Amino acid sequence: EIVLTQSPGTLSLSPGERAALSCGASQSVRSNYLAWYQQKPGQAPSLLIYGASTRATGIPDRFSGSGSGTDFTLTISRLEPEDFAVYYCQQYADSTYTFGQGTRLEIK
Amino acid sequence: QVLLQESGPGLVKPSETLSLTCTVSGGSVSSGNYYWSWIRQPPGKGLEWIGYISYSGFTSYNPSLKSRVTISVDTSKTQFSLNLTSVTAADTAVYYCARGGVLLWGQGTLVTVSS
Repeated sequence: EIVLTQSPGTLSLSPGERAALSCGASQSVRSNYLAWYQQKPGQAPSLLIYGASTRATGIPDRFSGSGSGTDFTLTISRLEPEDFAVYYCQQYADSTYTFGQGTRLEIK
Repeated sequence: QVLLQESGPGLVKPSETLSLTCTVSGGSVSSGNYYWSWIRQPPGKGLEWIGYISYSGFTSYNPSLKSRVTISVDTSKTQFSLNLTSVTAADTAVYYCARGGVLLWGQGTLVTVSS
């Protein structure tokens, strides 16, 4: 089972600032089969990034994903008020999928 | 456009079996080479993948839940189901169904385990 560890647990920033969220894997994620999701209160998660770096349809270009192997990053270039939420990484390379524990992005 | 919708009891008694169904509209569970997953989220906590069934009927389960979980496909091929046996309060969560490795999510349904 691939264990995903996200850091930091909570990130406090202001609108307009840049956010960098990390996701580390316990073993290499084959073919960079890693996705990022955003979840707002009371809602299902929604897809932001797949294949480590490909934005999903309709996702603004201020969201970008990077990394390979065991280290991945979600970057939000300039935070908008609607970006404050919880973010999860997920790997779908292994026969058992796993999620990171999440990073809460809160307004400073 | 494919949509997924969870349904089932919102309240289950301890030691009983939790049973949920996911209805797929705009597609079939047996087509498209997709994997069909169940995921849960306890109140205030993170996401936990429960397991999936493939378009061909292959299943894979979270090792921590494997002894209690069964995922199956309905013969109509437009639904798939989750059975979780011997539930406790720790199984209280919002349960989501989803399609794919890159997940397309249903809206989720809250299941509470309580007597």
